[in-house]
Amino acid sequence: KAGVTQTPRYLIKTRGQQVTLSCSPISGHRSVSWYQQTPGQGLQFLFEYFSETQRNKGNFPGRFSGRQFSNSRSEMNVSTLELGDSALYLCASSLNRGYNEQFFGPGTRLTVL
Amino acid sequence: GENVEQHPSTLSVQEGDSAVIKCTYSDSASNYFPWYKQELGKRPQLIIDIRSNVGEKKDQRIAVTLNKTAKHFSLHITETQPEDSAVYFCAACTTGANAGGTSYGKLTFGQGTILTVHP
Repeated sequence: KAGVTQTPRYLIKTRGQQVTLSCSPISGHRSVSWYQQTPGQGLQFLFEYFSETQRNKGNFPGRFSGRQFSNSRSEMNVSTLELGDSALYLCASSLNRGYNEQFFGPGTRLTVL
Repeated sequence: GENVEQHPSTLSVQEGDSAVIKCTYSDSASNYFPWYKQELGKRPQLIIDIRSNVGEKKDQRIAVTLNKTAKHFSLHITETQPEDSAVYFCAACTTGANAGGTSYGKLTFGQGTILTVHP
């Protein structure tokens, strides 16, 4: 099976812009979670989607949003970008809610100038 | 919410030695504890995990132990090799019967341990 894929792999944006990142889970996986990874804060949970609904949300401002489509693919959006949003954004898929193992994609490296 | 503390932040060993990384968690509802290995520029990869109904789990050179009473769990790597060099993250999560709270399905990670294995 193909692993989790994310596009694009790299993005450079300027402050105030918005960005959309995409995640395709492992085939058959229905739950997608998003994480932000930075050197200072480590890996932090953004949100989880299952059955096209956000089921759980981390402590991030409303500028961070996401959605999930009927084929389980997920997107996350960050509006009004700030310098501090520069990070590696990782998505992880799991088979179903209640299934523990989460498998990560390669991430999207976002740089905000 | 859940808080996971991981120690040490860096660990340097000689090839063939053992390495131990320790984590503590705060939420007694957490019942799933995975370990991820992240090589430079790569995605975190699940290397081993343990559920709260098990005290120890082994997979070749790696093992994880869990002490629910003390709320800590540890990763043990024996006969380390240079290719074990990476950043290791522990995490805690609430799933299944303990679910329903805000931590359901959410991995809370430790700060990471940079393991360097010298040839």
